[in-house]
Amino acid sequence: GESVGLHLPTLSVQEGDNSIINCAYSNSASDYFIWYKQESGKGPQFIIDIRSNMDKRQGQRVTVLLNKTVKHLSLQIAATQPGDSAVYFCAEYRGGDTGNQFYFGTGTSLTVIP
Amino acid sequence: GAGVSQSPRYKVAKRGQDVALRCDPISGHVSLFWYQQALGQGPEFLTYFQNEAQLDKSGLPSDRFFAERPEGSVSTLKIQRTQQEDSAVYLCASSVTGDGYTFGSGTRLTVV
Repeated sequence: GESVGLHLPTLSVQEGDNSIINCAYSNSASDYFIWYKQESGKGPQFIIDIRSNMDKRQGQRVTVLLNKTVKHLSLQIAATQPGDSAVYFCAEYRGGDTGNQFYFGTGTSLTVIP
Repeated sequence: GAGVSQSPRYKVAKRGQDVALRCDPISGHVSLFWYQQALGQGPEFLTYFQNEAQLDKSGLPSDRFFAERPEGSVSTLKIQRTQQEDSAVYLCASSVTGDGYTFGSGTRLTVV
């Protein structure tokens, strides 16, 4: 299953299928990105990050792709499991003179159907 | 502690009351951030501390919001004269270098 994070905030996939969650970011100067997973009643949890000098990074069952030309990020989850059900946020880092801030997208709600 | 601890987990306040939300960051984490998360939305930046210095408070929505971190560890977010629009989850995060925050579970504030 696939979604555009900002325009289709929900995604349902069958257990075992691959999931793709998309995110468009706004600032071409952003140079660091993180995907977070947020389960109900909990704070966001770091999943994977990528810097702007890379276009792909892999973790355990997750891959993040970065396309700087069109300012687009995607999170791919392989063999999606029920425990993957959560809201996923992409966050872009914009450094500044006074500190470092991450700006979060609206999020995509992933539901895994057993 | 092992993670970022926030208290209370839930707070119900009558409109007009003052509230204080506490954050215990991971020991040794220099950077501390407060975010506000409305229902169904992503977290929005409120303010940032490096040690005891508040380096950025540009996200605080009004002068009713005040944050402090006097000794560079525990931080308190205070909201005066709470309004219904202040109802949200308030998240605290800390980091060593600014990369990859560790978030607490948040305080859910409901103003009635």
